[in-house]
Amino acid sequence: GAVVSQHPSWVICKSGTSVKIECRSLDFQATTMFWYRQFPKQSLMLMATSNEGSKATYEQGVEKDKFLINHASLTLSTLTVTSAHPEDSSFYICSARSDRRNTGELFFGEGSRLTVL
Amino acid sequence: DAKTTQPTSMDCAEGRAANLPCNHSTISGNEYVYWYRQIHSQGPQYIIHGLKNNETNEMASLIITEDRKSSTLILPHATLRDTAVYYCIVRADNYGQNFVFGPGTRLSVLP
Repeated sequence: GAVVSQHPSWVICKSGTSVKIECRSLDFQATTMFWYRQFPKQSLMLMATSNEGSKATYEQGVEKDKFLINHASLTLSTLTVTSAHPEDSSFYICSARSDRRNTGELFFGEGSRLTVL
Repeated sequence: DAKTTQPTSMDCAEGRAANLPCNHSTISGNEYVYWYRQIHSQGPQYIIHGLKNNETNEMASLIITEDRKSSTLILPHATLRDTAVYYCIVRADNYGQNFVFGPGTRLSVLP
């Protein structure tokens, strides 16, 4: 199956710093990628839809100035958590759909666990 | 909001078939049924999807009722590594649409 890779898989940072998480589609191109957040014992919640070459679309309640998304190429989207605070500690997961496949499955990255001290 | 309802948790003996039900009574004609699973601290893994016909692949079988209001994911010979949260999701197969995840079913495969 198609492979989506995230980096880093885990990160610990101090409050007030910024953290960048990368999401790469390794063997396919993806015009659209999605960023999810998952708190402990909860399900995945969509944060934003990332579109190559245009601005991301954010879900209600997600601060676009705090969670910066850049989708500069067809294989890479980045999520930057700016001025991170402890409440931003979470499991961040990206997903992508292959532009070439005619089926609708999304492929997910391994996730990135952020801990803000 | 998720359009599906699933049991919160299920147990299954190792080596036996695991049958995970999902209700999607409001499914539309153009919506597919997708199944994913999430092993602890990992990203969701695609399992299978279907529209109205039963489907089978190397991981599982998907049985969809004739009225499409419910479906069952079958893991024919569950192993300990199949312990995970299983998500049933309905979604129209339109390009660019995301998945809405419900709470899923926590399957525990017991030795």
